[in-house]
Amino acid sequence: QSALTQPPSASGSPGQSVTISCTGTSSDVGGYNYVSWYQQHPGKAPKLMIYEVSKRPSGVPDRFSGSKSGNTASLTVSGLQAEDEADYYCSSYAGRIFYVFGTGTKVTVL
Amino acid sequence: EVQLLESGGGLVQPGGSLRLSCAASGFTFSNYAMNWVRQAPGKGLEWVSATTGSGDDTYYADSVEGRLTISRDNSKNTLYLQMNSLRGEDTAVYYCAILGTSSPWGQGTLVTVSS
Repeated sequence: QSALTQPPSASGSPGQSVTISCTGTSSDVGGYNYVSWYQQHPGKAPKLMIYEVSKRPSGVPDRFSGSKSGNTASLTVSGLQAEDEADYYCSSYAGRIFYVFGTGTKVTVL
Repeated sequence: EVQLLESGGGLVQPGGSLRLSCAASGFTFSNYAMNWVRQAPGKGLEWVSATTGSGDDTYYADSVEGRLTISRDNSKNTLYLQMNSLRGEDTAVYYCAILGTSSPWGQGTLVTVSS
């Protein structure tokens, strides 16, 4: 199983938006609507931010949104805040019971 | 409220064994497939293994096939990961998770393989 491809880094100024891509294949991202996004601060466990492509768990600000087109999913963080600085990982169902994770993106708030 | 609590990590020598546990609460455990995901120091997330709700079917990443065994006890709402023939590259924080849903993850348990 190959990891999903994410850009290593992304950045934006406070109040701006940043979009992170997550590219897979028709066997994972493109084949199922089970893409999730996780936020991870240093030394902490991953926190679920988006599931099923665009759904937000309770308590996640609506500044976080997800979408998908073909084999590429995206996470957009609008109105960037200092606390959004973290690593972000995507994940996709890949058939049967398998899941695959993205390579991770470090978001920096300038 | 879904809660997952991992335990059993520690320091083990190369070639040694360890058993991790994940105590689940707040949901009907037997209704959900469960996963182990790990993160090596400074690295990304890696899916390791999964088992169906009944425990009848299990799946593994190529990197751990034959050395790690996932199992579950639905009467105890607990997921396990038996780790044998451990290598340095197995050093990581291990998380149990219900993937693909709105459920949160646990805090993980650290496994260090070193002499």
